[in-house]
Amino acid sequence: DGGITQSPKYLFRKEGQNVTLSCEQNLNHDAMYWYRQDPGQGLRLIYYSQIVNDFQKGDIAEGYSVSREKKESFPLTVTSAQKNPTAFYLCASLGGQQTQYFGPGTRLLVL
Amino acid sequence: GEDVEQSLFLSVREGDSSVINCTYTDSSSTYLYWYKQEPGAGLQLLTYIFSNMDMKQDQRLTVLLNKKDKHLSLRIADTQTGDSAIYFCAERRSYKYIFGTGTRLKVLA
Repeated sequence: DGGITQSPKYLFRKEGQNVTLSCEQNLNHDAMYWYRQDPGQGLRLIYYSQIVNDFQKGDIAEGYSVSREKKESFPLTVTSAQKNPTAFYLCASLGGQQTQYFGPGTRLLVL
Repeated sequence: GEDVEQSLFLSVREGDSSVINCTYTDSSSTYLYWYKQEPGAGLQLLTYIFSNMDMKQDQRLTVLLNKKDKHLSLRIADTQTGDSAIYFCAERRSYKYIFGTGTRLKVLA
C-alpha cells in the first residue's frame, strides 16, 4: 500500500540524549515536512525539504536536525538542545493539488 | 493577524448538521484545506478548495469559501458519532501551510 509511515509510535528520551524519529514514504513525493503538535494547539513547522539533499528550517527548528539523503526518507533528530521535546510529531509529504498527506505520528515523552 | 482562527469546541446531536468555521489570513492563498484528526492519529485530508471556487461538495461535506471576508466553513450533513474528532483548517501560504488550532467536534447520540 502507498503511504507514509512513522516509527516508533512512542519514543522515550532521557535527559541529554539525542533521539531520531523515522519518516518514510513510498508515494514518490518530492517535498516532505516535519511538524510538532502540542495539546490544544495547531501544527508548527519544524523543518521541510523540497527535494533530496535540500532542507530548510521552519518556525521552530531550534533543537532539531534533519537529513534528506533519499527521496523516501526524512528522519528528524531531537537533540539534547531541545529543552521541551514532549509532543506529538507528525511527518507529511506533498502530493497533487498541493495537498499534504500525513503519517500516523510519533509521541515523544521525556523520562 | 498571522493566525488561522477556529472556535475550539462544537457539540451537535447525531443526525444534525455540523458547521465548523475558520478565518484565514492571506488573501492570496491558493488552496485551503480541511483535515480530520482522531485521537492519537495523524491528520486525514477531508477536502480542499481552490481559491477561485465559492463552494465544493463531496458527499456529506460542503465547503464554503468567502474570499472577501477570508472565511472558510465545513458543513457535515447527517453528522454521525464517527465524525467526533478534531477538525483543522489550513491555508497554503507560499511554501508553508498554516494550520488553525483545531475545532473539537463532539457528536451526541
